[in-house]
Amino acid sequence: EPEVTQTPSHQVTQMGQEVILRCVPISNHLYFYWYRQILGQKVEFLVSFYNNEISEKSEIFDDQFSVERPDGSNFTLKIRSTKLEDSAMYFCASKIEGTGRGYTFGSGTRLTVV
Amino acid sequence: AQTVTQSQPEMSVQEAETVTLSCTYDTSENNYYLFWYKQPPSRQMILVIRQEAYKQQNATENRFSVNFQKAAKSFSLKISDSQLGDTAMYFCAFMKNTGTASKLTFGTGTRLQVTL
Repeated sequence: EPEVTQTPSHQVTQMGQEVILRCVPISNHLYFYWYRQILGQKVEFLVSFYNNEISEKSEIFDDQFSVERPDGSNFTLKIRSTKLEDSAMYFCASKIEGTGRGYTFGSGTRLTVV
Repeated sequence: AQTVTQSQPEMSVQEAETVTLSCTYDTSENNYYLFWYKQPPSRQMILVIRQEAYKQQNATENRFSVNFQKAAKSFSLKISDSQLGDTAMYFCAFMKNTGTASKLTFGTGTRLQVTL
């Protein structure tokens, strides 16, 4: 079964450093997302991406965050200057169409900011 | 804005027994989807079951079924014949059916422990 692949599985970074989280969505999917989950809390929406532009973003997704789909296969989340409170599990997801079908999550990247 | 409420932070069930996890939601939308996701200790998000709001029939997937009460805005998950592998965090989620890049709104989760 097709998978959404995320790398790395765990990243440790120093406060103030830039990090890039990488995702390879399922190849024929059209909609791409990033969610985050602070340890012990609920999963929160960050941003959705369609047709090479952001469709929607949450209040969390401030100027420190950006997304890119540079080559038609990868989908990246960049955090420009990490803060301690950015420590969380970051999930990439993709879906094939604009309905409730086929919403598939990756296995996540655990980001630890020290 | 939509909200999803899961009022049971933790539940426990014995192996082979049945357990029901509760979820309520608030929305002014009429056309939407509801989901239950399972998150085992690996923290992967795994889709358990999906319900389309325009369908009156409750969704079922093997041992998993839902009780969808649209008027009451309630969407509970029933797990029959519980297995040790069902031990996980369970999240209820809501998605508007806009035909575009709709986001999921999650509840706070219910931690389910299946015991021998």
